[in-house]
Amino acid sequence: DAGVIQSPRHEVTEMGQEVTLRCKPISGHNSLFWYRQTMMRGLELLIYFNNNVPIDDSGMPEDRFSAKMPNASFSTLKIQPSEPRDSAVYFCASSLALAGRKQFFGPGTRLTVL
Amino acid sequence: KNEVEQSPQNLTAQEGEFITINCSYSVGISALHWLQQHPGGGIVSLFMLSSGKKKHGRLIATINIQEKHSSLHITASHPRDSAVYICAVRVSNDMRFGAGTRLTVKP
Repeated sequence: DAGVIQSPRHEVTEMGQEVTLRCKPISGHNSLFWYRQTMMRGLELLIYFNNNVPIDDSGMPEDRFSAKMPNASFSTLKIQPSEPRDSAVYFCASSLALAGRKQFFGPGTRLTVL
Repeated sequence: KNEVEQSPQNLTAQEGEFITINCSYSVGISALHWLQQHPGGGIVSLFMLSSGKKKHGRLIATINIQEKHSSLHITASHPRDSAVYICAVRVSNDMRFGAGTRLTVKP
């Protein structure tokens, strides 16, 4: 299995631009998680899906952030408009179930907003 | 005070030493995860615990629900174990993370 796939691996953009991060979970996994990691705040859970349905998005920092999971094999995290403080590494993870199972992490997308 | 506290923050050991990393939390949890973040940034989930003890190779994780405490042990440590180890707890629909313990194992 290829593991969790994220794209792009690196993204550099200018403030105000729209940014879309993509994630393909491990086939057969029905839970998907989006995390953000910064030096200041460490790891934070942004949102997670179970069977393609968003369960909790209370970690999403602002209305500028949105996430979708149109099918079991694809999810996006969009930031519009982006700001320099959004610069971070964004990780996607998937697991076989919402709880009680280990999560498998993607390699992350390093986002830099200038 | 953070809801998830890890200690120590940094740890340097000689190859072969027995390592213990601690995690204490102050909230009710349904599960606790130990994550390993490699120097390149990749994250690997080591364990998911809700009670007792789990072992995988040289790694052992324990949790005491009553004391709200978990430990990660590494036996016969090796330089390739050098990484940041992160404790994460599941609280209702949320996850809370410790700040991580940076482990360096010297040959």
